[in-house]
Amino acid sequence: DSGVTQTPKHLITATGQRVTLRCSPRSGDLSVYWYQQSLDQGLQFLIQYYNGEERAKGNILERFSAQQFPDLHSELNLSSLELGDSALYFCASSLGQLPGNTIYFGEGSWLTVV
Amino acid sequence: GQQVMQIPQYQHVQEGEDFTTYCNSSTTLSNIQWYKQRPGGHPVFLIQLVKSGEVKKQKRLTFQFGEAKKNSSLHITATQTTDVGTYFCAGSLRAGSYQLTFGKGTKLSVIP
Repeated sequence: DSGVTQTPKHLITATGQRVTLRCSPRSGDLSVYWYQQSLDQGLQFLIQYYNGEERAKGNILERFSAQQFPDLHSELNLSSLELGDSALYFCASSLGQLPGNTIYFGEGSWLTVV
Repeated sequence: GQQVMQIPQYQHVQEGEDFTTYCNSSTTLSNIQWYKQRPGGHPVFLIQLVKSGEVKKQKRLTFQFGEAKKNSSLHITATQTTDVGTYFCAGSLRAGSYQLTFGKGTKLSVIP
């Protein structure tokens, strides 16, 4: 158990819909990261927050947004969902900021868009 | 596009054989990390290398960071069935960058 909690574990939704994935980082960790894992693209970095502020942005679509709240939990919002958005979405956390910090992954949220 | 390349994509070995996965970057990495993801699981941090030419060992696992800090390798001696999984390297492509770029991973299968 990494200490990073993600909900929901599985989610099935229809195209065009909107979903929210939630993440609670390890106790004391200030950084939260979101990754998308699909079979053909591997682990793709989406976005990072540190203590409530956005710190780095990767290959995140405009239909996706995220935020980190004052209690440090984070949410990833996915809207206008397409079939290709089906993937495993990981949240990870670290004490500080990269480079140099170990990041701990949650168990992921499986999103299936039908 | 993907700037951290990892080979091979798949590797099947007989239990007891050695295994190596290689990671190459087009740019100098400030550091490199290695992760293992078991089937159906999440990536788990194994180790971080920071210095040029650094070598670290964890039991049967040996990690190396190239002199130019553009490549790295993970070598497992005498594989066991518990080594099954996908091994990812991940690097920071720019000094001070907060973005960790993952390779596509090497999926290791161990035949008992």
